[in-house]
Amino acid sequence: EVQLVESGGGLIQPGGSLRLSCAASGFTVSSNYMSWVRQAPGKGLEWVSVIYSGGSTYYADSVKGRFTISRDNSKNTLYLQMNSLRAEDTAVYYCARSIAVVLSFDYWGQGTLVTVSS
Amino acid sequence: SYVLTQPPSVSVAPGQTARITCGGNNIGSKSVHWYQQKPGQAPVLVVYDDSDRPSGIPERFSGSNSGNTATLTISRVEAGDEADYYCQVWDSSSDPLFGGGTKLTVL
Repeated sequence: EVQLVESGGGLIQPGGSLRLSCAASGFTVSSNYMSWVRQAPGKGLEWVSVIYSGGSTYYADSVKGRFTISRDNSKNTLYLQMNSLRAEDTAVYYCARSIAVVLSFDYWGQGTLVTVSS
Repeated sequence: SYVLTQPPSVSVAPGQTARITCGGNNIGSKSVHWYQQKPGQAPVLVVYDDSDRPSGIPERFSGSNSGNTATLTISRVEAGDEADYYCQVWDSSSDPLFGGGTKLTVL
């Protein structure tokens, strides 16, 4: 059974840093496209970042230069390092899997809430 | 940049058919995916590649895509279908993109 479990969210002051984790089971993270998608309170879905199976990474303009996506193949875990956090980064962060060619998000974690506030 | 436009809300009576649209320039040339999100829950994929259903998704959910509009159709709507619905595209020349979402209300 495919499962994605996020952790690492919390309350952080503006300018601070946080690292989110997404532990996967039932499939191999490094063989798939893995993304982070966020949802601000009461708002819609916003794609944040992707790491392809080959290792290439891409970011939304809103987080480029501040966030870094990575994975640990030995732990089958996806990460999102978030630096220079802003109030507008407040959201539930979901990790999600995509299969190349189809490029939909077929499995999602339950999400972890990041609140950026002083 | 490419934009996906969804109506903010759609209302339908139980047993009727709901149609949720997703507009975009020549969206018919792209693959469109649809997600259902209930309050406090993660999104769930209900239609991929315009009209295919993942396993476990009822046949009442169907999709189409042509010209400048993709459509998610929910037949014989039930109270449990009340949720937010998002369309999404992602091709080799761009980043993933979601529509703004449509709140489906079952009257």
